[in-house]
Amino acid sequence: DTAVSQTPKYLVTQMGNDKSIKCEQNLGHDTMYWYKQDSKKFLKIMFSYNNKELIINETVPNRFSPKSPDKAHLNLHINSLELGDSAVYFCASSKLVTRTKYNEQFFGPGTRLTVL
Amino acid sequence: KQEVTQIPAALSVPEGENLVLNCSFTDSAIYNLQWFRQDPGKGLTSLLLIQSSQREQTSGRLNASLDKSSGRSTLYIAASQPGDSATYLCAVSYAGGTSYGKLTFGQGTILTVHP
Repeated sequence: DTAVSQTPKYLVTQMGNDKSIKCEQNLGHDTMYWYKQDSKKFLKIMFSYNNKELIINETVPNRFSPKSPDKAHLNLHINSLELGDSAVYFCASSKLVTRTKYNEQFFGPGTRLTVL
Repeated sequence: KQEVTQIPAALSVPEGENLVLNCSFTDSAIYNLQWFRQDPGKGLTSLLLIQSSQREQTSGRLNASLDKSSGRSTLYIAASQPGDSATYLCAVSYAGGTSYGKLTFGQGTILTVHP
């Protein structure tokens, strides 16, 4: 199936640990995003990569480090996890139409991170 | 600051009723607007995408309209069914050199359709 996939689906860990979330899309898109959905269900952009280049970096602690090895993959590494990092993290992808315009975004199923 | 607001926050209707969900945005310089559906514990499913040059889009029982000048979009659901129960999210992609397609989301409307 063509889709945006994420692993793992659930992640439970202790404070202070380091963890990674992986995302892959097989839609042929050139732009990928990480969004965070907090406990109040509000979704907010964190990062975006276009052709492996970081193009959006919102106000996110530098404990969060995205990496895009190629256009189809975008991973999120989180160092020294804190209680406040508990949330659902969504990966999304889209295709660049012009320099500043993008097509419809498609989302992955999410990774529910719980920090104890 | 670009903000997206959805009203109402929650809506409960009997099966078969037609309903309207509202979305407003503060900056009319949008490129497109997407309506999503999110089921509990699940990801986001894209329902409709409206480009800034369009007035409406339709898919089955869903119809979304866009009025850029007033900063509003509505999602109309005809003949609602219990399976329509979910959270509906409106998200705007703004045009502009630094937006890079990022979506700004509303808080969502929680819809419950009871039999």
